[in-house]
Amino acid sequence: ETGVTQTPRHLVMGMTNKKSLKCEQHLGHNAMYWYKQSAKKPLELMFVYSLEERVENNSVPSRFSPECPNSSHLFLHLHTLQPEDSALYLCASSRQGDTEAFFGQGTRLTVV
Amino acid sequence: KNQVEQSPQSLIILEGKNCTLQCNYTVSPFSNLRWYKQDTGRGPVSLTIMTFSENTKSNGRYTATLDADTKQSSLHITASQLSDSASYICVVSRMNYGGSQGNLIFGKGTKLSVKP
Repeated sequence: ETGVTQTPRHLVMGMTNKKSLKCEQHLGHNAMYWYKQSAKKPLELMFVYSLEERVENNSVPSRFSPECPNSSHLFLHLHTLQPEDSALYLCASSRQGDTEAFFGQGTRLTVV
Repeated sequence: KNQVEQSPQSLIILEGKNCTLQCNYTVSPFSNLRWYKQDTGRGPVSLTIMTFSENTKSNGRYTATLDADTKQSSLHITASQLSDSASYICVVSRMNYGGSQGNLIFGKGTKLSVKP
């Protein structure tokens, strides 16, 4: 285990639903990230939080809304998603300035 | 354009055999290169990091090489085991960006299947 925990592991939601993904780390890291992993595509960075402040938002649609209440927790709020949003969503954390990311096991999201 | 290309896309080998995975990059300025292993249904885990001055580094049965001149890296797996079945992702970091994850360039990965 990497020390980064994601819940739920699997999620099926309709296009009109609202759901949230949760990520938790107790590694003492001060930076947290959301990645999207689609089939046959490289990992795509969605959001970066450093010291609980969002520092990057890579042109992600507003139907994805991140929240970082403290350095140990990260959420991704989902609403009115599209079928093409179905993917593996990975949370990661690191020490600020370190290039090694510690990934959670991911949430497999299916939008129907 | 900053890119990381991996080959082959997928590979099937028999248990006990060796294999080599390739990574070519055009990322600049280069800081370091990592190989991650991603088991099915899990997040990636770092195997090794290569910096500009390092040519070869081993981690058990895994040996990574880096040729900074040709911008190529390889991951060699010796005496493969069934547990080596996974995707192997090459990730290159750009320099002078404060280590931000936003400056990591990911390859698409090589899916390795080790058969008994």
